Amino acid sequence: DAGVTQSPTHLIKTRGQQVTLRCSPKSGHDTVSWYQQALGQGPQFIFQYYEEEERQRGNFPDRFSGHQYPNYSSELNVNALLLGDSALYLCASSLYRRNTIYFGEGSWLTVV
Amino acid sequence: AQKITQTQPGMFVQEKEAVTLDCTYDTSDQSYGLFWYKQPSSGEMIFLIYQGSYDEQNATEGRYSLNFQKARKSANLVISASQLGDSAMYFCAMMGISSGSARQLTFGSGTQLTVLP
Repeated sequence: DAGVTQSPTHLIKTRGQQVTLRCSPKSGHDTVSWYQQALGQGPQFIFQYYEEEERQRGNFPDRFSGHQYPNYSSELNVNALLLGDSALYLCASSLYRRNTIYFGEGSWLTVV
Repeated sequence: AQKITQTQPGMFVQEKEAVTLDCTYDTSDQSYGLFWYKQPSSGEMIFLIYQGSYDEQNATEGRYSLNFQKARKSANLVISASQLGDSAMYFCAMMGISSGSARQLTFGSGTQLTVLP
């Protein structure tokens, strides 16, 4: 039973570029949420996808966008990267409105 | 709105001893869930234990137990018989679980636990 998988694990981008991060949820899960974790802080909620629609959104600008595919996998896109976007991006999966939430190993993004 | 407070930036414990990590919370949700996660240096957020606000008994999962005191709005994690592999960052988190709640986790700032041999 595969857990939550994310790719890539590490990447370096230049300020102003765009990045796409990918997530495959745990088998049987239909809901994907994305979190940003800056160094030394707890994760912050970005948004949640269910049935290919964004269901909830945290306090993040429109530069952050996402997508969910029919197989429940998801992408996080960040445009016009800023140095402050450097963080660990965590994907979490669950069944919709259920309380068991599992995280992937994250994607470490460095913006230079 | 929800808020999680973890007042211990770092904790040390001797191997095989028990340790308590503190967590207090504030929320306007009538029903909510409390979570503890372990984050090693690799970055993965590992689920440890869950407590629902209406659960009458404290949750336990192996060496982990959650000391839930609703009136004090605290949800402390107790790790018994500490092991060297328990050294990691520990996060307390919560989520509203009422029908109209936003199903998103709110995390504290974490506690770095170091187990000494």
